Amino acid sequence: SQQGEEDPQALSIQEGENATMNCSYKTSINNLQWYRQNSGRGLVHLILIRSNEREKHSGRLRVTLDTSKKSSSLLITASRAADTASYFCATDGSYGQNFVFGPGTRLSVLP
Amino acid sequence: DVKVTQSSRYLVKRTGEKVFLECVQDMDHENMFWYRQDPGLGLRLIYFSYDVKMKEKGDIPEGYSVSREKKERFSLILESASTNQTSMYLCASRTGTGDEAFFGQGTRLTVV
Repeated sequence: SQQGEEDPQALSIQEGENATMNCSYKTSINNLQWYRQNSGRGLVHLILIRSNEREKHSGRLRVTLDTSKKSSSLLITASRAADTASYFCATDGSYGQNFVFGPGTRLSVLP
Repeated sequence: DVKVTQSSRYLVKRTGEKVFLECVQDMDHENMFWYRQDPGLGLRLIYFSYDVKMKEKGDIPEGYSVSREKKERFSLILESASTNQTSMYLCASRTGTGDEAFFGQGTRLTVV
């Protein structure tokens, strides 16, 4: 079963606008990670936020985590056409060392 | 530079064939994973391994097996390929729980 679920499934914005994607998960976590995937390629790690952190920044990325609501959001500010990709949240599962991803948000940034 | 390499980028196999997908990492990572990715379903975990010769089933292990004889190599085996196994297969590795995962470029497998 999937641990993380992103919404929206797809998002289309103009260059320069901000993009916000949300992720909800089901069980308690130690950390949550966000990844990006360009079309037909492998995933690339963007940012990790630990369960005792509420917000984290990396360049134009801002991630928030609300453990009481079991949710996280990824904000991309001043989006560019090159940000067009799918974005996934990932958490460590409820047993062992498996590592599960949500279905992703497909972001299109229009020039 | 960190590297996870999958043996093939594209693969076409016939129904009933035994298929091997190979993944090699050069980072001395303990954990390795195989996922399949289908439109609208995201990444689904097939198997993972946390050490040499150790493996655990993920969410969708049916029809697949794995082998990890050496730390750097994690193989996914389709014992008898079927058309519903047509998919993008992604391999990943990481040091341990909670660490960043590194992905291969993916293998797009078509079973005809």
